[in-house]
Amino acid sequence: DAKTTQPTSMDCAEGRAANLPCNHSTISGNEYVYWYRQIHSQGPQYIIHGLKNNETNEMASLIITEDRKSSTLILPHATLRDTAVYYCIVRGALSNFGNEKLTFGTGTRLTIIP
Amino acid sequence: GAVVSQHPSRVICKSGTSVKIECRSLDFQATTMFWYRQFPKQSLMLMATSNEGSKATYEQGVEKDKFLINHASLTLSTLTVTSAHPEDSSFYICSARPFNSPLHFGNGTRLTVT
Repeated sequence: DAKTTQPTSMDCAEGRAANLPCNHSTISGNEYVYWYRQIHSQGPQYIIHGLKNNETNEMASLIITEDRKSSTLILPHATLRDTAVYYCIVRGALSNFGNEKLTFGTGTRLTIIP
Repeated sequence: GAVVSQHPSRVICKSGTSVKIECRSLDFQATTMFWYRQFPKQSLMLMATSNEGSKATYEQGVEKDKFLINHASLTLSTLTVTSAHPEDSSFYICSARPFNSPLHFGNGTRLTVT
């Protein structure tokens, strides 16, 4: 699975958009970009994933550059409850044959400031 | 709502005793579940892959005789930490994947060995 690079920490004002970058310059053509977050003392929570098109759901938007070497997770209106560690993970398509494990890096610690 | 349930959420045990942690998939069958461990201020590290009806697959450096995994049904995997010692104190998290859905995580079990 491709390696990812994320900033160690970021701050964002409450109510503003939080933009979390992720570099994955060695991503291969069949690898997806997944985003999870982990609020303190909880298990990771799935946010969103994409292959090459931008994606949006009720939690966030995922913007993937045309060359797919980087992506940005956008939380449009950050709240205090969005304070968490955000993990960007790149891996091949999940199959249904037991290889769904994810490898976590160190992530970005996002702090939402009141 | 939660799709993966872990129990207990917190456990304290004495050194030398064994502790069992349960991971259940809710409303779906999981032939494979994953067990992670997370030490304070560190990222999640995959310990083992639990396979229903067969032996678990352990990651390098994880002692299979110390961390016993049983996946006796399609909705339940258990992790038993045998002869626990203070260095086994950690946050243990399981995960499973509903069909054609992202990987989901339990809320973790905080183990403290005194």
